[in-house]
Amino acid sequence: SAVISQKPSRDICQRGTSLTIQCQVDSQVTMMFWYRQQPGQSLTLIATANQGSEATYESGFVIDKFPISRPNLTFSTLTVSNMSPEDSSIYLCSVAKGDSYNEQFFGPGTRLTVL
Amino acid sequence: DAKTTQPPSMDCAEGRAANLPCNHSTISGNEYVYWYRQIHSQGPQYIIHGLKNNETNEMASLIITEDRKSSTLILPHATLRDTAVYYCIAGGSYIPTFGRGTSLIVHP
Repeated sequence: SAVISQKPSRDICQRGTSLTIQCQVDSQVTMMFWYRQQPGQSLTLIATANQGSEATYESGFVIDKFPISRPNLTFSTLTVSNMSPEDSSIYLCSVAKGDSYNEQFFGPGTRLTVL
Repeated sequence: DAKTTQPPSMDCAEGRAANLPCNHSTISGNEYVYWYRQIHSQGPQYIIHGLKNNETNEMASLIITEDRKSSTLILPHATLRDTAVYYCIAGGSYIPTFGRGTSLIVHP
């Protein structure tokens, strides 16, 4: 398994500002992922962040809006830039482990409210 | 990933078995069936996965039909803490694509 922590757990931000979310894992992992969960909705993958390479973004998400860093095998950050109220969501990081990486472990999430 | 269909909601009495169905009729031969759950205000939690054979772990059992077009997640003795949204995912990738899931409510 993997134990994942995220900071901050929640924040309230003003539109036009940026917030950086941190994700820390208790063991080294190759693949980390960032998801967004909008109110009342299911999870949507934002990007895959592998150490040593540029993040791979899903359709509808761009690096300028959601820059990601992956400096080592236990840590990643996601920045939500130039925020608007539509960015109000829960942001979750996850890692893949197990045989063939079939198991994903999720952090507790960061609840972001943009005013 | 193959499309999955789950009932939007179910309820179950505490101590009874909860049987959560999932239809994945377009699943291909190399795609796994995964189950996750999300308790309110928490991140999703991996439960179990399988390819062809039935699987059991400390959390649940996964029953996959012989034609692999559907599956059932079984929580043998549901507790109030099992109240959550349960997601069935069929895919070959290790990156799950989450649908709307089934909201399971376990009542006393």
